[in-house]
Amino acid sequence: DSGVTQTPKHLITATGQRVTLRCSPRSGDLSVYWYQQSLDQGLQFLIQYYNGEERAKGNILERFSAQQFPDLHSELNLSSLELGDSALYFCASSVGGGGRTEAFFGQGTRLTVV
Amino acid sequence: GQQVMQIPQYQHVQEGEDFTTYCNSSTTLSNIQWYKQRPGGHPVFLIQLVKSGEVKKQKRLTFQFGEAKKNSSLHITATQTTDVGTYFCAGWVGGSNYKLTFGKGTLLTVNP
Repeated sequence: DSGVTQTPKHLITATGQRVTLRCSPRSGDLSVYWYQQSLDQGLQFLIQYYNGEERAKGNILERFSAQQFPDLHSELNLSSLELGDSALYFCASSVGGGGRTEAFFGQGTRLTVV
Repeated sequence: GQQVMQIPQYQHVQEGEDFTTYCNSSTTLSNIQWYKQRPGGHPVFLIQLVKSGEVKKQKRLTFQFGEAKKNSSLHITATQTTDVGTYFCAGWVGGSNYKLTFGKGTLLTVNP
């Protein structure tokens, strides 16, 4: 158990809908990262927050947004869902904001858009 | 685009054979990290290399960081079925938009 909690584990929704994925980082970790994993794309970096502030941004679609709350949990919002958004979404956390900090991953949320 | 490249994408070996995966970056890295993801699981941190030319060992696993800090390798000696999974390298890249970027990973399968 990495100490990172993601909910829900599975999500099935229709195209055009909006969903929210939730992540609770390990106790004491200030950074939260979101990654998208598709079969042929590996782990694609979406966004990172550090202590409530956006720290780095990847190729995150405009339909996607995220935030980190004062209690350090994070939510990833995906809207106007398309079939191609079906993927495994991982949250990770770390103590530091970058550089030499290792990331601890949650179990992931498997999103299926039908 | 992807700034951390990894080869091969897939590797199938017989149990007992050795395995190596290679990681290359287009830019100099401050450090390189390696993760393992078992089938159906999540990535788990294995190790971090920081120094130029650094070599670290974990039992049958040997990790190397290149002299120029642009490449790295993971070598597994005498693979076992428990080694099955996808091995990812990851580096912090991006200048002002510094982010932990993963290679696409190498999926290792082992035939018993």
